[in-house]
Amino acid sequence: DVKVTQSSRYLVKRTGEKVFLECVQDMDHENMFWYRQDPGLGLRLIYFSYDVKMKEKGDIPEGYSVSREKKERFSLILESASTNQTSMYLCASSLKRDGPTQYFGPGTRLLVL
Amino acid sequence: GESVGLHLPTLSVQEGDNSIINCAYSNSASDYFIWYKQESGKGPQFIIDIRSNMDKRQGQRVTVLLNKTVKHLSLQIAATQPGDSAVYFCAEIGGGSNYKLTFGKGTLLTVNP
Repeated sequence: DVKVTQSSRYLVKRTGEKVFLECVQDMDHENMFWYRQDPGLGLRLIYFSYDVKMKEKGDIPEGYSVSREKKERFSLILESASTNQTSMYLCASSLKRDGPTQYFGPGTRLLVL
Repeated sequence: GESVGLHLPTLSVQEGDNSIINCAYSNSASDYFIWYKQESGKGPQFIIDIRSNMDKRQGQRVTVLLNKTVKHLSLQIAATQPGDSAVYFCAEIGGGSNYKLTFGKGTLLTVNP
């Protein structure tokens, strides 16, 4: 089974703090994704990566950056957290040869005070 | 812009009945569709997928139907159980993209005992 893990289930941070969200997958997937999920807005793509050290902006990259130094790990960074970044953050991964199906982690619920 | 939407935001069924969750899409170039289940507080879980060269695909207790003529996708769950209670949403990909899924907003399925 595919396993995608995220470093924290719940996180509380203060405005202006730098926040790191970590995602690890154990299936040697090339593609990794970061989404945020908000009520009424559904899933929105922040960034994705299709290879080590490669990254592409998604639909809402402002206020975020990412890092992919190793194939299994994809980090989302909030450079200076703001209250409007309070959300559920979901990481996903996919294997190129298997097609577009993405497998998700359990999510990190982030509260920025 | 192109979008994936759901006809009904909520669906309530009796345990043992069959459930049908619908999804409309507008991108005629979409060639791959996925259904996800998301339980409260958890990440989305892959259920079943279908390519546009098919009109039906069956899994365990689930069937996905694709009608390309009217750009409509449905998920049928047979003998619905309380454990099926969750938000279900469809996702589509196409138009040359290998990575970017477009997600619907979701339908909340409630199974009454």
